[in-house]
Amino acid sequence: DTEVTQTPKHLVMGMTNKKSLKCEQHMGHRAMYWYKQKAKKPPELMFVYSYEKLSINESVPSRFSPECPNSSLLNLHLHALQPEDSALYLCASSIRGTGAFYNEQFFGPGTRLTVL
Amino acid sequence: AQTVTQSQPEMSVQEAETVTLSCTYDTSESDYYLFWYKQPPSRQMILVIRQEAYKQQNATENRFSVNFQKAAKSFSLKISDSQLGDAAMYFCACSGNTPLVFGKGTRLSVIA
Repeated sequence: DTEVTQTPKHLVMGMTNKKSLKCEQHMGHRAMYWYKQKAKKPPELMFVYSYEKLSINESVPSRFSPECPNSSLLNLHLHALQPEDSALYLCASSIRGTGAFYNEQFFGPGTRLTVL
Repeated sequence: AQTVTQSQPEMSVQEAETVTLSCTYDTSESDYYLFWYKQPPSRQMILVIRQEAYKQQNATENRFSVNFQKAAKSFSLKISDSQLGDAAMYFCACSGNTPLVFGKGTRLSVIA
């Protein structure tokens, strides 16, 4: 199994809703990532989990709450989002956890989020 | 910290022709990797090719090859025999002891 899966593919939510995005990989990778991508822009790093511990938070607003229940699963909990949070949310994983990040990242297909 | 610059927002190529996408980078690290990722309109980000900075030999993957000029900090991607399926956004990226840093991307169109 050499893929990263993400659910749901599409999500529409109101500003008062609570929802979660899910990401899963079964490649034995020890680092997992959340990115936000706006149209025609590169992905922006949000969070990095290394060996199931949060190692990087790129000053993301608290309305985004990541969770890594185990080495294969990564969640992103969403609450009280704003319309400007509408974007493609990408999950990725890589072999190594701490230290060198130079190994390539494998990306999931993304969740298209629309906040009304 | 690393920076990655892609100076060509858009490129086009005739089917079966060759096209080169440019990328320059800057890093203070001695050990780093460079990547080209492809993101078709279907949105899945796919790794096209990777280059280890300590290797002098340019990486090649089928129709895709790079021209890695370490002293000039240049890392261009050549696509030979372009196909319609090559149409996508291409991102150059650099990674050392920090996570991937992406360039702004080059949108490649392939003309039949």
